[in-house]
Amino acid sequence: AQSVAQPEDQVNVAEGNPLTVKCTYSVSGNPYLFWYVQYPNRGLQFLLKYITGDNLVKGSYGFEAEFNKSQTSFHLKKPSALVSDSALYFCAVRSNQGGKLIFGQGTELSVKP
Amino acid sequence: KAGVTQTPRYLIKTRGQQVTLSCSPISGHRSVSWYQQTPGQGLQFLFEYFSETQRNKGNFPGRFSGRQFSNSRSEMNVSTLELGDSALYLCASSLERGTNGYTFGSGTRLTVV
Repeated sequence: AQSVAQPEDQVNVAEGNPLTVKCTYSVSGNPYLFWYVQYPNRGLQFLLKYITGDNLVKGSYGFEAEFNKSQTSFHLKKPSALVSDSALYFCAVRSNQGGKLIFGQGTELSVKP
Repeated sequence: KAGVTQTPRYLIKTRGQQVTLSCSPISGHRSVSWYQQTPGQGLQFLFEYFSETQRNKGNFPGRFSGRQFSNSRSEMNVSTLELGDSALYLCASSLERGTNGYTFGSGTRLTVV
């Protein structure tokens, strides 16, 4: 079965510290992987994607993610967190059955000053 | 270029009524998919349209339906509304069924009373 798991409901980080939001996936074949961020009462904002190529993907607002095929992971990272990074983060994989996205349950990131 | 436009932004309906939500994709995008977001179930796939044809359908009752027009704009309809249909409904557009990514609209917040 195709699925995405975000093992942490919440991640707490101090401003200026590095942050990691974890994601593992299960899909056959080569995955199309995405990270989105959601602020309260807003839609999903694209951060970055892995389609093919370099395992380290750089995205918006200083975020990056590392694709690890052997561990089926796609963790989101940022070297130095900002208070404004506090939001809900979703990892997603494109289904093998066409243009459907399968989402993780989301991770609430809280960055304290 | 203009993003994905969803209308209306907010909607309050009574149980038993029906509702139609609209989504205008990014110009040139032919694929539109819909998602329901609730606190309990997270982000769940409703359906996907590509070139006016439904390509994928999620596990929702027949009260949920949709369509896509020749200009790629899409509508989704929910008939006989139930309290549990209260949710944020998100539309995503993509160029070719997500192989290059998805752009989401701001969503329609539906409240059923």
